Amino acid sequence: ETGVTQSPTHLIKTRGQQVTLRCSSQSGHNTVSWYQQALGQGPQFIFQYYREEENGRGNFPPRFSGLQFPNYSSELNVNALELDDSALYLCASSFGQLEAFFGQGTRLTVV
Amino acid sequence: QKEVEQNSGPLSVPEGAIASLNCTYSDRGSQSFFWYRQYSGKSPELIMFIYSNGDKEDGRFTAQLNKASQYVSLLIRDSQPSDSATYLCAVNSFSGGYNKLIFGAGTRLAVHP
Repeated sequence: ETGVTQSPTHLIKTRGQQVTLRCSSQSGHNTVSWYQQALGQGPQFIFQYYREEENGRGNFPPRFSGLQFPNYSSELNVNALELDDSALYLCASSFGQLEAFFGQGTRLTVV
Repeated sequence: QKEVEQNSGPLSVPEGAIASLNCTYSDRGSQSFFWYRQYSGKSPELIMFIYSNGDKEDGRFTAQLNKASQYVSLLIRDSQPSDSATYLCAVNSFSGGYNKLIFGAGTRLAVHP
């Protein structure tokens, strides 16, 4: 149990729709990172938030956006969903950018 | 060249044997190295991290790091069927003022009775 909670655990969306995924960080962790894991691949870094500011972004288009709130919880928003967005989305929290602990993930299926 | 490379497997070992999982990385500036275990349909679970050259032991797990060779490995002693999972190697990359993890694609381990 890492103390990082993600919701929902599973969801199905239609191509073109928008989705919001949520993450509640482990207590005391001020950094949250989001990763996308396609089937059979390792997680890919989407972006990172530190004290409510985006401080790093991977190679993902602008339709992937996020927020971090004062309590360090976070959201990942994806607009104009594409079939290739189907993946496991992982939230990881850390303190001072040390080792990352993942939540249980959100399995997104785009049909 | 991929930044973090792992053999995809499957690596099949008998119960009680030593499983050896290997990982190479391309960024010489990397300072932190992580091993995650991922069961099918679940999220990755951190099992080991190592920062310094040499060995680090935790129970049945030993992580080995050789920065000169850009090589990190994970040994699992007395392998159990419950160790059957995909093992992800991750390397910390510092760029643009922030840290992120770069993952390999994982090695699938199968421990058979």
